[in-house]
Amino acid sequence: AQRVTQPEKLLSVFKGAPVELKCNYSYSGSPELFWYVQYSRQRLQLLLRHISRESIKGFTADLNKGETSFHLKKPFAQEEDSAMYYCALSRLGGGADGLTFGKGTHLIIQP
Amino acid sequence: DVKVTQSSRYLVKRTGEKVFLECVQDMDHENMFWYRQDPGLGLRLIYFSYDVKMKEKGDIPEGYSVSREKKERFSLILESASTNQTSMYLCASSLAGDSPLHFGNGTRLTVT
Repeated sequence: AQRVTQPEKLLSVFKGAPVELKCNYSYSGSPELFWYVQYSRQRLQLLLRHISRESIKGFTADLNKGETSFHLKKPFAQEEDSAMYYCALSRLGGGADGLTFGKGTHLIIQP
Repeated sequence: DVKVTQSSRYLVKRTGEKVFLECVQDMDHENMFWYRQDPGLGLRLIYFSYDVKMKEKGDIPEGYSVSREKKERFSLILESASTNQTSMYLCASSLAGDSPLHFGNGTRLTVT
């Protein structure tokens, strides 16, 4: 069975500092990894997916199959980045059985 | 833009009541999902459906059932609500197997 681990419940950094939200996964097959974000009082929304290899709002994430990680990074944090972040895994090319989510990391950007 | 609409933003029910949570999506998506979101536990999959009248158990189906009579509508049913079902319930839909999920705003259910 697949599992997603986000070791930090809470991460607090100062504005302008680099941010790294950690995500590790366990899955025997080929995974597809996602980062979802939930801003205060907004719905959960897709931030980025590894297959797209794009940068969204300055965030990037690289899939490291050797370390089974998909850490989310941003070089310079902004106050509007404060939100709840969830890492999620799907079986690549697999069935319609949804995503497995981590427990989430609450990111707080201090002014 | 995909719209996933959950009929209620807040619900307060009593222990033992039958509760219906409704979800409608407008993009002809095949797959629909119900998750519950709890602090410190993240999102946990309750049930999902990949076609009309089809349903599959997720990770925590106990105490819940679902109904999908039409493609655009997916209902979550609590047969006899209990206080440990107090939670935020999120509905989502997706076009295909590994497509991104599109979420509704959520229904915060309180069972007293």
